[in-house]
Amino acid sequence: TQLLEQSPQFLSIQEGENLTVYCNSSSVFSSLQWYRQEPGEGPVLLVTVVTGGEVKKLKRLTFQFGDARKDSSLHITAAQPGDTGLYLCAGLRWRGDGQNFVFGPGTRLSVLP
Amino acid sequence: DTEVTQTPKHLVMGMTNKKSLKCEQHMGHRAMYWYKQKAKKPPELMFVYSYEKLSINESVPSRFSPECPNSSLLNLHLHALQPEDSALYLCASSQERGVTYEQYFGPGTRLTVT
Repeated sequence: TQLLEQSPQFLSIQEGENLTVYCNSSSVFSSLQWYRQEPGEGPVLLVTVVTGGEVKKLKRLTFQFGDARKDSSLHITAAQPGDTGLYLCAGLRWRGDGQNFVFGPGTRLSVLP
Repeated sequence: DTEVTQTPKHLVMGMTNKKSLKCEQHMGHRAMYWYKQKAKKPPELMFVYSYEKLSINESVPSRFSPECPNSSLLNLHLHALQPEDSALYLCASSQERGVTYEQYFGPGTRLTVT
């Protein structure tokens, strides 16, 4: 069972277009992180959202955490080829033996010049 | 500084070899992680160390043996691996940030088992 779902799985757009990708769960997470990963490299942390309804902006990227802390979205304005990569969301989960991050399957974005 | 370093960058090993992957961070983070990532898949948690003690082992086969010599270093010892163990191995560390934790990844070691 996938705790976190992401949609769409793949997205190919032209430079300058806007896009939104989604991260959804039936579980509540205490916080959620978004990463971008390029081929053969480690994921790079973009943002952490903690409070339900929170909105954070990082230049052309806008992140929102759902009111119930079960879902999140990432909106990119005027996409550029440098935005190409795998976008991963990860939710922080507390277990009896410690905390760990649960990853969604990712959205693979391709921005064409 | 949010740097996690990993060595080597690439590793090719035979099924009878013994090798080790190394990870280092100097950010004072007290939790460190090993993940395995196959092509076109998200990272898959293997081990978590918290305060230098193994806190989570996600039922990883014993041919993978983690070690945390001190708060800055994390090793993954490999022995008698199978070709299906070929993957990108990622190390990460995390720090408490208010009510949550933030996790930072290293660049990974691309492992090929022949």
